[in-house]
Amino acid sequence: AQSVAQPEDQVNVAEGNPLTVKCTYSVSGNPYLFWYVQYPNRGLQFLLKYITGDNLVKGSYGFEAEFNKSQTSFHLKKPSALVSDSALYFCAVRDIGPNAGNNRKLIWGLGTSLAVNP
Amino acid sequence: EPEVTQTPSHQVTQMGQEVILRCVPISNHLYFYWYRQILGQKVEFLVSFYNNEISEKSEIFDDQFSVERPDGSNFTLKIRSTKLEDSAMYFCASQGERLETQYFGPGTRLLVL
Repeated sequence: AQSVAQPEDQVNVAEGNPLTVKCTYSVSGNPYLFWYVQYPNRGLQFLLKYITGDNLVKGSYGFEAEFNKSQTSFHLKKPSALVSDSALYFCAVRDIGPNAGNNRKLIWGLGTSLAVNP
Repeated sequence: EPEVTQTPSHQVTQMGQEVILRCVPISNHLYFYWYRQILGQKVEFLVSFYNNEISEKSEIFDDQFSVERPDGSNFTLKIRSTKLEDSAMYFCASQGERLETQYFGPGTRLLVL
């Protein structure tokens, strides 16, 4: 079954330090992988995606993520955290394997709350 | 920058009542979605819509739910007879033809009493 795991409910990091938010996935075929961020009382805002090509993808606001096929992971990273990065982060996957058909739905993780302390 | 909009932002209704949640997708997008997020739980796929028909729906999307794109602009989700467990944040998303990214609206928070 398709699934996404975000093993940490919360990540705390000091401003200026690097941050990592973890994501692992399970799909039957190849994945398209996405990170979204949700600020309080706001919608889901797209950050970055992996479709094909370079395993390291760069996105908005200095975020990047590395696709690791052998570990089925897509961890979100940022070299230097800002207080304004504090938000809820969601990893999502779309299965594009041979059994996925034409479906385009996203499967979501539970989210990780990132708190960046000044 | 174009964005997906949703109305209302909040809706409170009595159990058994019908509700219609409205979304205006990004204008040149062709794929449309509804997702929901019950408080403290995962975002869940409800339905996808393309070429004026449902292309996929989840088990949640039973006969009480329907979607419509009545005027080529709005994309609506109707719940015919709401249940307590329908209380959730409902997100609309749209996607362009050659893009793989779904862009989300701010959500409608539905509370069924």
